[in-house]
Amino acid sequence: DTEVTQTPKHLVMGMTNKKSLKCEQHMGHRAMYWYKQKAKKPPELMFVYSYEKLSINESVPSRFSPECPNSSLLNLHLHALQPEDSALYLCASSQDWGEEANVLTFGAGSRLTVL
Amino acid sequence: GQQVMQIPQYQHVQEGEDFTTYCNSSTTLSNIQWYKQRPGGHPVFLIQLVKSGEVKKQKRLTFQFGEAKKNSSLHITATQTTDVGTYFCAGPSGTYKYIFGTGTRLKVLA
Repeated sequence: DTEVTQTPKHLVMGMTNKKSLKCEQHMGHRAMYWYKQKAKKPPELMFVYSYEKLSINESVPSRFSPECPNSSLLNLHLHALQPEDSALYLCASSQDWGEEANVLTFGAGSRLTVL
Repeated sequence: GQQVMQIPQYQHVQEGEDFTTYCNSSTTLSNIQWYKQRPGGHPVFLIQLVKSGEVKKQKRLTFQFGEAKKNSSLHITATQTTDVGTYFCAGPSGTYKYIFGTGTRLKVLA
């Protein structure tokens, strides 16, 4: 299995809702990432988990809450989002870090619309 | 902070013409990666360059890493409609942290 699977593919939520995005990989990768991508822009790093521990938080607002229940799963919990948070949320994984191990495999993304 | 810029921002070419995108980093890079994102799709890894002056080829795609390891280029020979998409370079900015370039959107006219 060489895929990163993200669910749901599309999500529409109100500003008072609580929802979660899910990501799964079975490649044995030890690093998992959340990126946010606005239209016609590059992916922007939000969070990184390495060996199931939060390694990087790029000063993301607390209305986004990541969770890594085990080495194969990554969640992004959403609460009290703003319309400007509407974007494509991409999950990625890498074998680890270092030459040859840092190639990112992306999931298809979850397209989020906040009303 | 570190910036990675790409030019051009957009490129429209006739099918069969060549295409080149350039990537420039504000800092020296230990390596550089290239990704392709089709319209409506997600980034897909193409290649990684590590050595100064390195050149790698994948069929019609030629990738180059500059001697100073601050710039890179991707050249596509004889574009096809399947080459349509946005091409991103990405450079490391700390452990587990890749900064993506601004991207070049390629349209190929049949």
